[in-house]
Amino acid sequence: AQSVSQHNHHVILSEAASLELGCNYSYGGTVNLFWYVQYPGQHLQLLLKYFSGDPLVKGIKGFEAEFIKSKFSFNLRKPSVQWSDTAEYFCAVNARGQGNLIFGKGTKLSVKP
Amino acid sequence: DSGVTQTPKHLITATGQRVTLRCSPRSGDLSVYWYQQSLDQGLQFLIQYYNGEERAKGNILERFSAQQFPDLHSELNLSSLELGDSALYFCASSVEAGGSYEQYFGPGTRLTVT
Repeated sequence: AQSVSQHNHHVILSEAASLELGCNYSYGGTVNLFWYVQYPGQHLQLLLKYFSGDPLVKGIKGFEAEFIKSKFSFNLRKPSVQWSDTAEYFCAVNARGQGNLIFGKGTKLSVKP
Repeated sequence: DSGVTQTPKHLITATGQRVTLRCSPRSGDLSVYWYQQSLDQGLQFLIQYYNGEERAKGNILERFSAQQFPDLHSELNLSSLELGDSALYFCASSVEAGGSYEQYFGPGTRLTVT
């Protein structure tokens, strides 16, 4: 069965610090990979996605993620966080050809002004 | 605003009762997904419909059922409710069923079972 692990439950950073959130997945076949963000009181929004091609993908709001197939990882990065990045971040995968997403438990990011 | 609407926003009900959650997908989207978000289980996929037909099933209890109507809106029915069913229920929609397009999430329905 597919599974997704997010290593950090809660990350606290100061503004302008760099961010890296870890995500590892378990699945033997080809997958699509996603990062979603949930701002307080809001719905899930897609930050970025990887289907194929360049393993370094850029998303909205200055986020990027790198797919490392050999490590089954899809870590999210941002060089300089802002207070407005305070939110919960979810890594998700689906198997190629299947729509349903398997989510990690989420990482809560708190950015201190 | 994702374009996906869910009603009601909040629902408080008693154990043993039955409720219906409603979802309207984005215009043009044929696929609807239901997810449950709880503190202990996180975000879990429940069920998917595509153009009126059930497409995939996840960890959905037998007390729960769903359907997608000809106008593509979907309803999730939860019956014989238990305290543990208290959660946030999200609906998402996408253009197709195979997962190669973005899923757009609604604002969710918060269900509290007392």
